[in-house]
Amino acid sequence: DTGVSQDPRHKITKRGQNVTFRCDPISEHNRLYWYRQTLGQGPEFLTYFQNEAQLEKSRLLSDRFSAERPKGSFSTLEIQRTEQGDSAMYLCASSVGQTGGDEQYFGPGTRLTVT
Amino acid sequence: AQTVTQSQPEMSVQEAETVTLSCTYDTSESDYYLFWYKQPPSRQMILVIRQEAYKQQNATENRFSVNFQKAAKSFSLKISDSQLGDAAMYFCAYRRDTGTASKLTFGTGTRLQVTL
Repeated sequence: DTGVSQDPRHKITKRGQNVTFRCDPISEHNRLYWYRQTLGQGPEFLTYFQNEAQLEKSRLLSDRFSAERPKGSFSTLEIQRTEQGDSAMYLCASSVGQTGGDEQYFGPGTRLTVT
Repeated sequence: AQTVTQSQPEMSVQEAETVTLSCTYDTSESDYYLFWYKQPPSRQMILVIRQEAYKQQNATENRFSVNFQKAAKSFSLKISDSQLGDAAMYFCAYRRDTGTASKLTFGTGTRLQVTL
């Protein structure tokens, strides 16, 4: 197993454009999480899935953000009408989901720059 | 809402020495987990150590140990025999242990520099 992968690693877009990121979790991990990390800050929770069900969304996830995990495997995070404030590192993590203390394995992140 | 505070933006330690990173948190819950994550430059975040709140014994993982003070809501990380590879951002994180609540709440991080 190669770990959590994210694509693309870097994305530069113009304000107002739509972008979509993909996350491939570790196989057989039931839980998948999205976080956003801005410069000098710790990651902030955006949303998480248990298999294909989206169980929790942060208030940070405005109407312009949508996340899916259609078959309980990979997940996509789409940002519509991007704004400069969306510039950040978007991190994906996955975990087995058996206990509250199970380890979340993080991907390398997608760095978004909105110009 | 739970909050995690790391009051040391940067720390420096000489190779082979010991350093302690501080973390405090605020919660009204009694069941939770605490974590220290390491984020090396341009690399993925990895788990360093985990502590269950119901356990009084402090967690230890090789050169890494914690000092968990539940009443004081304090969770510090001690790195012994520091190595150059320990240089990274270190994040303290909290996770409630109730039902499906599985998100991590992170602090702002401490950048650790290791010098020769």
